[in-house]
Amino acid sequence: QVQLPESGPGLLKPSETLSLTCTVSPASINNYYWTWIRQPPGKGLEWIGYIYDSGSTNYNPSLKSRITISADPSKNQLSLNLTSVTAADTAVYYCARGGGRAYSPPDFWGQGTLVSVSS
Amino acid sequence: QSVLTQPPSASGTPGQRVIISCSGGNSNIGSNYVYWYQQLPGMAPKLLIYRNNHRPSGVPDRFSASKSGTSASLAISGLRSEDEADYYCAAWDDSLSGPWVFGGGTKLTVL
Repeated sequence: QVQLPESGPGLLKPSETLSLTCTVSPASINNYYWTWIRQPPGKGLEWIGYIYDSGSTNYNPSLKSRITISADPSKNQLSLNLTSVTAADTAVYYCARGGGRAYSPPDFWGQGTLVSVSS
Repeated sequence: QSVLTQPPSASGTPGQRVIISCSGGNSNIGSNYVYWYQQLPGMAPKLLIYRNNHRPSGVPDRFSASKSGTSASLAISGLRSEDEADYYCAAWDDSLSGPWVFGGGTKLTVL
C-alpha cells in the first residue's frame, strides 16, 4: 500500500512561505496524478491542486497566485509551496494519490501535517 | 461555504440505518461521479465510495450510496460505534470552482 508521509515547518509567521514535502513509497510518482488538499481546524476539505508526472499542474483558482506544486522523481517526492501565508492558511495539509480526472479521485492520503500561521 | 451541501450532523443508535445527503449542481454532481470519504477522529480521510456507488476493497457492504440528478446520498445500515466519524461527499466540478469540490462534512454520532 502506498505511503505518503508529509513533512513541513509546523509553525509560520504571516507573510512567510509554506514549504511542504510528501515522500511517496513504495510506488513511483511517475505516471500518477498527485493532489494536495487542506483542512482548516474543525472545518471541511479544500482542494489545493495537483501535479501529473512531474510536469503539468492545475491549481485552485482562489490560491493560484500563491501556489507552486512540483515533483522530484529522483527522490520520489512531491512539494507544495504557498507564499505570503496568513492565519487563513492554518490547516492540516494532505497529499494524496490521484485526483487528476473525474473518474479518478484522491484515493490514498497521507496522514497530514498541521501548519499553523501566527505572529 | 462549501460548494456541495451536507447536513452538519446526523445520529443514530446501534443497528439503525442512517442516511446522509449531499446536494450540488449541474457542473458537479449533475455531470460527474460522486465520491464519499470517511474521516475518523484524528485521521486522514479514507475513500469510502467511488464512482457514485462502488465500495473499495475492505469497505463493508453496510455502506451504500446512490445519486440522482444533482443530489447524492450515503446510507449506513447496521450502525456500529466505529462508524462514528465525519463523512464528506466530493465531486469533480466542470466550472471554475473545481476541479474537486467537497461538502462541508457530516458528523455522525452513534448514540
